[in-house]
Amino acid sequence: DAKTTQPPSMDCAEGRAANLPCNHSTISGNEYVYWYRQIHSQGPQYIIHGLKNNETNEMASLIITEDRKSSTLILPHATLRDTAVYYCIVRDHDGWNFNKFYFGSGTKLNVKP
Amino acid sequence: DTAVSQTPKYLVTQMGNDKSIKCEQNLGHDTMYWYKQDSKKFLKIMFSYNNKELIINETVPNRFSPKSPDKAHLNLHINSLELGDSAVYFCASSHSDMGENIQYFGAGTRLSVL
Repeated sequence: DAKTTQPPSMDCAEGRAANLPCNHSTISGNEYVYWYRQIHSQGPQYIIHGLKNNETNEMASLIITEDRKSSTLILPHATLRDTAVYYCIVRDHDGWNFNKFYFGSGTKLNVKP
Repeated sequence: DTAVSQTPKYLVTQMGNDKSIKCEQNLGHDTMYWYKQDSKKFLKIMFSYNNKELIINETVPNRFSPKSPDKAHLNLHINSLELGDSAVYFCASSHSDMGENIQYFGAGTRLSVL
């Protein structure tokens, strides 16, 4: 059911930027892209979301391509505490299904010292 | 204050028992959810309530019965527990919006059926 494709795992050196890609080629014009992460079986944590424009908050930046078929989550200075599974989510938009998030398998980010 | 809180955090029980998990949110949201994360770590939505009305009901055995006494609470009751019900159950809440919909999750309830 997941409408997104992410690499299963990535490594990143501590202090460096982590760039996590996501393909969502079937995204509709009014669908947002959401990023969440899950640290060691804790509850998923919201990171950022966007529609068309690039977005930045205190946690990360989100770059969405012009055709909106892919996006990249950027953690500018990864720390060991950023080691987690990162999920890129595009939700359904049909009736009440707009509340339905599809979590795929995500990307396991390993931040190494 | 915890925004979305679930109790209990851990639940160990025998096959065939009935158990309940409670969820409360203090964010003023009107929509709440139950998700199940199995041993393979896939996170799947089970139910969603909006203003105490069921709006999403994925293909879940009818042994699972959600109940929403008010907008701030969504409980999950499970009858006749089976081994396959062992998983982590997450509650979430959001403000219902056709545009943006940021869901906030609880810490999870780890259910082990023996």
